[in-house]
Parts: sequence; structure tokens; C-alpha cells
Amino acid sequence: GNSVTQMEGPVTLSEEAFLTINCTYTATGYPSLFWYVQYPGEGLQLLLKATKADDKGSNKGFEATYRKETTSFHLEKGSVQVSDSAVYFCALRRLAGGGNKLTFGTGTQLKVEL
Amino acid sequence: DAGVIQSPRHEVTEMGQEVTLRCKPISGHNSLFWYRQTMMRGLELLIYFNNNVPIDDSGMPEDRFSAKMPNASFSTLKIQPSEPRDSAVYFCASSSGLAGRDEQFFGPGTRLTVL
Repeated sequence: GNSVTQMEGPVTLSEEAFLTINCTYTATGYPSLFWYVQYPGEGLQLLLKATKADDKGSNKGFEATYRKETTSFHLEKGSVQVSDSAVYFCALRRLAGGGNKLTFGTGTQLKVEL
Repeated sequence: DAGVIQSPRHEVTEMGQEVTLRCKPISGHNSLFWYRQTMMRGLELLIYFNNNVPIDDSGMPEDRFSAKMPNASFSTLKIQPSEPRDSAVYFCASSSGLAGRDEQFFGPGTRLTVL
């Protein structure tokens, strides 16, 4: 079946540090890949997405590249801010037979300190 | 657009009581999802609807849980009777299902506490 594996958190960084949150997936066919962010007390929001191999999704300084050869979709940001503190979820959607159903990873909490 | 609307935002009830959570999806969206989030189990998909029809309810934990979508603009998730282990944040999400615009939009959630 489909699955998403994320690195364990929490990840604690100083402001302006480089961020990488690893995400790998297992799926048949060609899934779409997503990163969602959840700020404290809120629902999940789409951060970025990629729908085919080698696509790069980007938003708010975050980016992730769909790597089919390594089945990965790692999230990166060059310089994090305190306001980026949140929980980040990697997810996939396999169109064929999966409808609009998303498979989520367990989430990685990011804490950014001054 | 107002986004996905959920009510109530917080619910505190006693074990054995019936709980009803409500969701209004984004207008024009044809898919609706109910999730449960806990520290122990993370984010779990309970059920989802397409064009008001339940497509996959394999995540519904047991018969105490039921969900309905009587029309395109309203859905309910009911727990009867409620138990302390049902305490969680319940999210509703909707999506348009259109190619290239298939992301899910989440509501703010309902925090349920069962005493």
C-alpha cells in the first residue's frame, strides 16, 4: 500500500539556519506529493506540491523536489524564521484508484529559536 | 471565500453522551474528508465523501462513529456514545477534485474532550 515516512521531530534550529526535513514514500504508479504545514491551534495548510518526477514545488522560501529515483520529497529552506515554527506533514495522493485521498506522514515539529 | 467552516470549535462532554460535529465545505468542492488528530496516533482519515456519497469509511474506528453528508454544503460526524478515548481534534477538509487543483483545504478543527 501507500505510505509516507518522515524524519522524527522535534527539529530545533536557530533563526537563519538551513532546514531540511526528510520525506520518503512508497507508492505504485506516479503519485502527487505535498507538504502541508500546521501552525499551533490551526488546521493544516498546503505549503507546496509537485505532481510529476523532477518537479520542484516552492512557496514562502520553502522548496521540495520530486525525486522518483530515490522516492523522496525532502523539504528545504535556506534561512528559517521564528514564524516558521510549526508541524510539517508530507503527503501523497495516488490518483488511480485513490480518488482524492491523501496518505500523510506522521508530521515533523520544527522549533526555531532566536 | 470563508474556507471550510467547522462547529463547534471546542466541545466538552461526558462519557456516554452523543456528540455531533459539523462541517461546511468550500462552495463548489465535491470531496469532503473527516480526520482525527491525536498525539498518539497522529492524523487519521476517518471517512471521505465524493459528490455526497461515502467512498471510503475504512478509517471509522467503530460503530459508535457515523458520518453523513445530506447535501453538498453540509456534513456531520456523530459519536454515540462518546468515550474518553475519543478525545482528539477532528478536522474536516474539502477539495475540488479538479486536475491540478486537487489540494485539500482544512477547517480549523473541533477540539473534543470527553470526560
